Amino acid sequence: DAEITQSPRHKITETGRQVTLACHQTWNHNNMFWYRQDLGHGLRLIHYSYGVQDTNKGEVSDGYSVSRSNTEDLPLTLESAASSQTSVYFCASSESTGEEEKLFFGSGTQLSVL
Amino acid sequence: AQKITQTQPGMFVQEKEAVTLDCTYDTSDPSYGLFWYKQPSSGEMIFLIYQGSYDQQNATEGRYSLNFQKARKSANLVISASQLGDSAMYFCAMREGLSNSGYALNFGKGTSLLVTP
Repeated sequence: DAEITQSPRHKITETGRQVTLACHQTWNHNNMFWYRQDLGHGLRLIHYSYGVQDTNKGEVSDGYSVSRSNTEDLPLTLESAASSQTSVYFCASSESTGEEEKLFFGSGTQLSVL
Repeated sequence: AQKITQTQPGMFVQEKEAVTLDCTYDTSDPSYGLFWYKQPSSGEMIFLIYQGSYDQQNATEGRYSLNFQKARKSANLVISASQLGDSAMYFCAMREGLSNSGYALNFGKGTSLLVTP
């Protein structure tokens, strides 16, 4: 079965370190998204991509970057981790750009920045 | 400005009763889609139901229905015959056809539902 997987599930890092969170989907979806979830804020969009070599900033993109070198993967990099980036990170994908297209989510990565 | 507003941080409902989770949205786009997701304590995001802005009838999926009132810009989720397994966080989300963020979903802050025996 097609799926979307995130790794690692849990990560602890130190302030100032570079961290990369992996997202891999086998749906062959063109659209991929990164969200962060914080108590009291719901899910907020960090970056998104509509295809290979395409990346776009979302609502809370400062301190994060993504790259899309193939259809399956959209890694999220924290250039210099900060305590404010402690959060649960969700990767998602969707098939097309129709209004009715739901997002398929990964299981999330719990990141703690100490 | 908040595009999706969920005014109920927490809700309680007794098993087998129906419950309504509120969601209001803000958009000037004539074309949009509304979604509800469930997030149990295990953390995964589970799609429940979708309503398009041009849909004439309210969406239904099993025990879930969406009370869509376009003029009031509300898209409340109704869960009938609540079960203990319905205890979870519920998120309302919207996709706007002309959004600057393409076809990403814009989420509300969520409502935590607890179903009691």
